[in-house]
Parts: sequence; C-alpha cells; structure tokens
Amino acid sequence: NAGVTQTPKFQVLKTGQSMTLQCAQDMNHEYMSWYRQDPGMGLRLIHYSVGAGITDQGEVPNGYNVSRSTTEDFPLRLLSAAPSQTSVYFCASSYTRDRVNSPLHFGNGTRLTVT
Amino acid sequence: SQELEQSPQSLIVQEGKNLTINCTSSKTLYGLYWYKQKYGEGLIFLMMLQKGGEEKSHEKITAKLDEKKQQSSLHITASQPSHAGTYLCGADKSNFGNEKLTFGTGTRLTIIP
Repeated sequence: NAGVTQTPKFQVLKTGQSMTLQCAQDMNHEYMSWYRQDPGMGLRLIHYSVGAGITDQGEVPNGYNVSRSTTEDFPLRLLSAAPSQTSVYFCASSYTRDRVNSPLHFGNGTRLTVT
Repeated sequence: SQELEQSPQSLIVQEGKNLTINCTSSKTLYGLYWYKQKYGEGLIFLMMLQKGGEEKSHEKITAKLDEKKQQSSLHITASQPSHAGTYLCGADKSNFGNEKLTFGTGTRLTIIP
C-alpha cells in the first residue's frame, strides 16, 4: 500500500491563480480530511469528508473547495490564491471516525507558496 | 487562540537522557493523540489515550492522560537520535472521533550525540 499520496510536493503560485492539490489513498478509508500547518498555529482543519459524496467544513474553510466523487480521492481546490494561503497542506484519512481503532494516516504534505 | 498548549516549544537533549513533553487543554478531552513529524514529512501516529488516568507505552515512549482528561504527557526514556523530530498532540474535543481533531503547535526535539 502506498498509503496517503499527495501531489505536488511543492508549488509556487501567483496571487489570483487557481490550482488543485491532489490527495489519494489506497487503504479504502471512508474518512478523509485536509489540514493546513502554519508556524505557531498548529494544524487546522480545512474540510473533511466521511464518505464519497459527503463533505463538510472544518475550522478554516474560506478560500477552499473540496469534492469527494470516489472513496480514494479528495482534491482540495484553491479558486483564487492569496498570500495568506501560503502554508503546508496535509491530507489525512482513516477507516472511520472511531478514535480507538482508526487513527488518522497523513500524507507527506504539499508546501505551497503564494506570491 | 490556541486551544491545545504544548510545552516546551523546543527541547535539546543529550543522547541517553530522559525527557517529557506536555499537552494541556482548558476543556475535557474525549481522546488525546500523539503524533511525531520529521521535517518535510507527514505525521506518524504514536498513541491514543481516552480514559482518565490511562497510560500507554511503545518501546521507550510512554504517554499518560490525567484523571481530569485535560493534560497529557509524553515521556521518552534514554533518548536516541531516532527520537528527534517534532511531537504534536491532537485532541478530540467534541466527541466526533477523527472528524474534527484540534492540534497543538508541536514540540521540536533535538538529540545531541
């Protein structure tokens, strides 16, 4: 199993550009989520999905869109990038929301810079 | 405001020494997770605690959750270079399980040979 795969690893955007951060998992996990990690802020939840066709907002959803058309993929879209979106983005997945038996598995992150 | 406070923010320890990292919440937690992150990589799950007074160990790492379920500590015995990295605590504060975890800002651990 590859686990949680994020692409690209690095990206530089200009203000106003759009792009999609890809996330794929091959573990048949129902639950997937996106976090951003900023210095001094910890990881903050952007959006999450409890299954194909179902998405919901996290703590910091503004400026980001998501969709979940398949169990495996959970792309994160930036419609009009802003410098405040410069961050490291992590995708995570788990079998269910069961905290005991299904801890989150994280990808290696996408480092995004918006100039 | 940061809802999970970790201390210290950074720690430099000589190889072989013991160390402790703390994670504190102002609210009672339904679950407390410990993760380790190496620079440029994702988070690796270490342990999860959910019962007051619970203690778990894996190799030389021991994690405890206090009786009130508001504070957790991570203790490393006889530290090794492989223990270097950033340790993050994550918490389920709303009984949603994995759906809405809150994370601390991390403790960066450096091991000096």
